Amino acid sequence: AQSVTQLDSQVPVFEEAPVELRCNYSSSVSVYLFWYVQYPNQGLQLLLKYLSGSTLVESINGFEAEFNKSQTSFHLRKPSVHISDTAEYFCAVSKLFQGAQKLVFGQGTRLTINP
Amino acid sequence: GAGVSQTPSNKVTEKGKYVELRCDPISGHTALYWYRQSLGQGPEFLIYFQGTGAADDSGLPNDRFFAVRPEGSVSTLKIQRTERGDSAVYLCASSQLHSTDTQYFGPGTRLTVL
Repeated sequence: AQSVTQLDSQVPVFEEAPVELRCNYSSSVSVYLFWYVQYPNQGLQLLLKYLSGSTLVESINGFEAEFNKSQTSFHLRKPSVHISDTAEYFCAVSKLFQGAQKLVFGQGTRLTINP
Repeated sequence: GAGVSQTPSNKVTEKGKYVELRCDPISGHTALYWYRQSLGQGPEFLIYFQGTGAADDSGLPNDRFFAVRPEGSVSTLKIQRTERGDSAVYLCASSQLHSTDTQYFGPGTRLTVL
């Protein structure tokens, strides 16, 4: 069975500081990896995903994540955060089964940006 | 275009009652998923539809939960004899046919069972 562990439930940082949100997964088969973001009072939105190819993937708003197969990790990083990045971030893993992409989510990390 | 919509946004019911939660996927999306998010947790998979049929319902917690998608578009999640433990946010997501396509989530229905 697959599982996802997000090691930090809350991460407070100051504006313009770097941040890393950690994610580890367990799976015996090849998987796809995702980071979803949930801004206050909004639904889940895809931030970035790794399907294959380059292990470093980037989002349009400056986040990046690196797939590390040997360490089974997919940590999310941003070199300089903004107030608008305040949100809950969910790491997820999926594998294909009968055409479905069933997502298994971690418990989430609440990122709080302080001015 | 319009995103995934879910109605109602909030539902308060009493223990033992029956509830229906509705999901309108993005037009043209053939895959539809239901997830449940309990307080402080990530979403958990419930059921997956490919077209009209439930291709995988392994995440439904028990036989009080049932979902339909009769015309391959709108889906309804039905919960019988609700219990306090059913209180959660129920999320719907849809995607195009290809299995690696992005799942787009609706805003969710917050169900509270008193």
